[in-house]
Amino acid sequence: AQKVTQAQTEISVVEKEDVTLDCVYETRDTTYYLFWYKQPPSGELVFLIRRNSFDEQNEISGRYSWNFQKSTSSFNFTITASQVVDSAVYFCALSEPNSGGYQKVTFGIGTKLQVIP
Amino acid sequence: EAGVAQSPRYKIIEKRQSVAFWCNPISGHATLYWYQQILGQGPKLLIQFQNNGVVDDSQLPKDRFSAERLKGVDSTLKIQPAKLEDSAVYLCASSLVVTGKDAGNTIYFGEGSWLTVV
Repeated sequence: AQKVTQAQTEISVVEKEDVTLDCVYETRDTTYYLFWYKQPPSGELVFLIRRNSFDEQNEISGRYSWNFQKSTSSFNFTITASQVVDSAVYFCALSEPNSGGYQKVTFGIGTKLQVIP
Repeated sequence: EAGVAQSPRYKIIEKRQSVAFWCNPISGHATLYWYQQILGQGPKLLIQFQNNGVVDDSQLPKDRFSAERLKGVDSTLKIQPAKLEDSAVYLCASSLVVTGKDAGNTIYFGEGSWLTVV
């Protein structure tokens, strides 16, 4: 079973629209971390946010906001007033301990966001 | 602070040839990862080192892929012989481990090495 599900493979919005990228995860651990990364066409994955399983407070950073809900195992990402520079592939990732206790990170398949001017 | 460095950036080889990718992590980062990203998919972990020891290589195709991190700093990933399905971006990443076992470290990625096997 997929551990991180990003159901939206591609989204297109017109500049200045708001857009929400969905992420649903699956884990049996009580301690885990969730991440979002941005991958522009250059290829490098750029870290956006990290959230631990004990902190359900929503976070806002400029035009970006994240909504973490343990009850629905979701960690959704909203871009407000989208801009062309937001066009990229966005990955949600789950980090949990592996059998040896070390960090194991599993990525979703990504959501490709295209912002049309 | 310098980021994760990778080389070569692009490589085209014929099937059955060999290729090697090099990675230098962020200074002081104990954990180093190699991920494979096939077009349209998310990164898949191939191998994870903590210092110069392997902590996870469960998804590494060991009949053709090998990796080493001899002095606990830079690392090399080798493919021999390459197959068409190995065409992908090979991403190196690193994280700072404060304690030996911690699932909360932020992973920082390099720009990737793009491999095309023809």
